[in-house]
Amino acid sequence: GQQLNQSPQSMFIQEGEDVSMNCTSSSIFNTWLWYKQDPGEGPVLLIALYKAGELTSNGRLTAQFGITRKDSFLNISASIPSDVGIYFCAGRSFGNEKLTFGTGTRLTIIP
Amino acid sequence: DTGVSQNPRHKITKRGQNVTFRCDPISEHNRLYWYRQTLGQGPEFLTYFQNEAQLEKSRLLSDRFSAERPKGSFSTLEIQRTEQGDSAMYLCASSRGQGILQVQDGYTFGSGTRLTVV
Repeated sequence: GQQLNQSPQSMFIQEGEDVSMNCTSSSIFNTWLWYKQDPGEGPVLLIALYKAGELTSNGRLTAQFGITRKDSFLNISASIPSDVGIYFCAGRSFGNEKLTFGTGTRLTIIP
Repeated sequence: DTGVSQNPRHKITKRGQNVTFRCDPISEHNRLYWYRQTLGQGPEFLTYFQNEAQLEKSRLLSDRFSAERPKGSFSTLEIQRTEQGDSAMYLCASSRGQGILQVQDGYTFGSGTRLTVV
């Protein structure tokens, strides 16, 4: 099945650093969602975006809905150990119930 | 209601056997979704229900797969004659929706059922 292009594939950072990741699609979406998944668990919703150009924050997390509707960005400021995990973007087009997920970004914090 | 509940959490089965998974969505959510996730990949859509009606099925859902939501509450996903390629995490999610509009609360996923076919 189709998967969105998500980059980087993995990140190794030190605690306290800021993190940026992005997701691109060949098709337009009207909803972008960002999820975090811990090993052996289901994805947990972090941020939902519903309008092109929208910038939304959730604590140390900030996400943006790209103006072209074909991309989205997630930033994490001042990373902490519990930020470790896999981050997935997901897009949904108007009138379509299914989510199309990205390939994931694995975040590791180096001691 | 604490979220989407899936049972069992893990299932190991022999090739050729049938397996059934259960999902209990958040009670006020009328839409229920099944996704499959293989190692190193994002979840892939399988099917979704609005109340008891199954409204969309992915081409990934072969004829060995069947999903039901008989009373519009819990759902079951059955895989017949399992194959090694069916080994994956099966995720259930739920949401509220009205027509083509999605209530702005995204999807809530369960913890998944990890299937291993040996």
